[in-house]
Amino acid sequence: DGGITQSPKYLFRKEGQNVTLSCEQNLNHDAMYWYRQDPGQGLRLIYYSQIVNDFQKGDIAEGYSVSREKKESFPLTVTSAQKNPTAFYLCASNPGGVTEAFFGQGTRLTVV
Amino acid sequence: AQSVTQLDSQVPVFEEAPVELRCNYSSSVSVYLFWYVQYPNQGLQLLLKYLSGSTLVKGINGFEAEFNKSQTSFHLRKPSVHISDTAEYFCAVSRYTGTASKLTFGTGTRLQVTL
Repeated sequence: DGGITQSPKYLFRKEGQNVTLSCEQNLNHDAMYWYRQDPGQGLRLIYYSQIVNDFQKGDIAEGYSVSREKKESFPLTVTSAQKNPTAFYLCASNPGGVTEAFFGQGTRLTVV
Repeated sequence: AQSVTQLDSQVPVFEEAPVELRCNYSSSVSVYLFWYVQYPNQGLQLLLKYLSGSTLVKGINGFEAEFNKSQTSFHLRKPSVHISDTAEYFCAVSRYTGTASKLTFGTGTRLQVTL
């Protein structure tokens, strides 16, 4: 079945450590996105990528980094510079143009 | 700039009653609107979308929404809810620049259906 796979589902890290969240899609979509979800704040865009080897900052990119070396993969690194990293992270993709985004099941990151 | 306002953070309703979840948007360009549903600890699933054409849009699970350009609204409705409709609902507006499509989400409405 085609879809978006995020791993792991739950992730625990110590404060000050970098952590990388995985996002893989087999939908052959050009565009991929990372969102952060906090209670009562909806979803906020961190980074997005329209094509391989190119990506743009979203609304809350500080403390995060991404890469897009392959069409199907868009990993997100939460760096130690991110002041409040504990959140639910969602990866999404769309085939391009004006259409809906398809979402993965999310990764819940807890930093202690 | 575009934004989405979901006026109710929580909506309690009894099973088999009708429900309306409100969404207002602002956008300076062509409007493309979406409603998504999220069950606990899961991703978002598309309920319905408005891209063009008929202003009354029907989606999955018996939901529908009406695009009202003069009131800049896109309210979600269901004539009779079920316990399984308990979830968080997000309204979103899309901005397409010709090369990139970006979704802006509202803060969500939690629908709580009880017996």
